[in-house]
Amino acid sequence: QMQLQESGPGLVKPLETLSLTCTVSGDSISSSSHYWVWIRQPPGKGLEWIGSIYYSGRTYYNPSLKSRVTISVDTSKNQFSLKLSSVTVADTAVYYCAKLTISAPPARGYFDSWGQGTLVTVSS
Amino acid sequence: DIVMTQTPLSSPVTLGQPASISCRSSQSLVHSDGNTYLSWLQQRPGQPPRLLIYKLSNRFSGVPDRFSGSGAGTDFTLIISRVEAEDVGVYYCTQATQFPYTFGQGTKLEIK
Repeated sequence: QMQLQESGPGLVKPLETLSLTCTVSGDSISSSSHYWVWIRQPPGKGLEWIGSIYYSGRTYYNPSLKSRVTISVDTSKNQFSLKLSSVTVADTAVYYCAKLTISAPPARGYFDSWGQGTLVTVSS
Repeated sequence: DIVMTQTPLSSPVTLGQPASISCRSSQSLVHSDGNTYLSWLQQRPGQPPRLLIYKLSNRFSGVPDRFSGSGAGTDFTLIISRVEAEDVGVYYCTQATQFPYTFGQGTKLEIK
């Protein structure tokens, strides 16, 4: 059974860069059937898609965050990563990594596996 | 961006009774390939979201058959035929027809 596990600092200072890694187990990140996704949820609020990456490195980002986001993939480690620069308190959220199974190109599908999430707090 | 609007935002339900959650999109979710990339997620308290329904009406593996999805175009519904205690949580609709993917605000299902 596949699992996704987020890791990274739980506290980031304002204007610094948030960095998280998602480790995939029980499945290959190099699968042609999936995209790998970051989604966040501010405390007590709804869900926001941050961006998605294919094993080839092809990315899609939410335009609202695009100028600050970089998602990368390391197929040798079966991991993908998120960097969000110039963070503010508004970036405080639980960050989830998830798997999107592709129904049709490019990246049309559904989020069928989720990590447990990691809370990142932006505070000085 | 496609805006997803859910109603109601809160739904008190009696155990064993049905529950219905509506989701409306600001644009049609029918993709050029003919599919509708509308999914429903369940988030139990303190848990990550879990996929219930994908592509409008397909129940995901392991999801009880009391959950069903329907709709067309811009109007969608999640129905729980007989609510059980374990169904308490927040339900989200989400679309993957057009970038950026977007989510509804969530509907909190609670037991009366």
